[in-house]
Amino acid sequence: GENVEQHPSTLSVQEGDSAVIKCTYSDSASNYFPWYKQELGKRPQLIIDIRSNVGEKKDQRIAVTLNKTAKHFSLHITETQPEDSAVYFCAASITGNQFYFGTGTSLTVIP
Amino acid sequence: GAVVSQHPSRVICKSGTSVKIECRSLDFQATTMFWYRQFPKQSLMLMATSNEGSKATYEQGVEKDKFLINHASLTLSTLTVTSAHPEDSSFYICSAKDPRAQTGELFFGEGSRLTVL
Repeated sequence: GENVEQHPSTLSVQEGDSAVIKCTYSDSASNYFPWYKQELGKRPQLIIDIRSNVGEKKDQRIAVTLNKTAKHFSLHITETQPEDSAVYFCAASITGNQFYFGTGTSLTVIP
Repeated sequence: GAVVSQHPSRVICKSGTSVKIECRSLDFQATTMFWYRQFPKQSLMLMATSNEGSKATYEQGVEKDKFLINHASLTLSTLTVTSAHPEDSSFYICSAKDPRAQTGELFFGEGSRLTVL
């Protein structure tokens, strides 16, 4: 199956700063790339996604960029807040069904 | 959004016994559900795709006879860990896509923490 790598595994930022998480994927046929946020003890929830026909997508303080040629995509969080602290997972999907997740990034926003 | 519910949330069993975990889509019909395993501070590893009315599709390296999956209805998939051993202790989480949703969003259950003594 698809192989998704994610960096960094942990990230600490000061409140108000930006956070960037990067992922790479192996299968050029992947065409859907969602990002999930998992707070401690809770289930993962979708925060933003991007399809392969788009290079960038933004939703308020969150943005995702996709470089199909290089097979990597990134999550950008601006003006971070303590409630952004969580584990973030990227994922890649070829069929829109099987989703392969990255290894996760534990983000801590320091007040 | 759509609701996926898992039961039990926690289960402790003795080595050698079998444990069944249920995953239900509460407000939508899911022809396909996905089972993931999550180790502490690690990612969600796709174990298998559960298909309603047919056999599950297992990922490479996942033992079919160890992790039995049944998808008997459009709202229920079960994962049975057979002859459980301590190394099977993990967090198991199911997910499903709501066919009504515009996005390709996966909706996750609460997860089930299995501890094998």
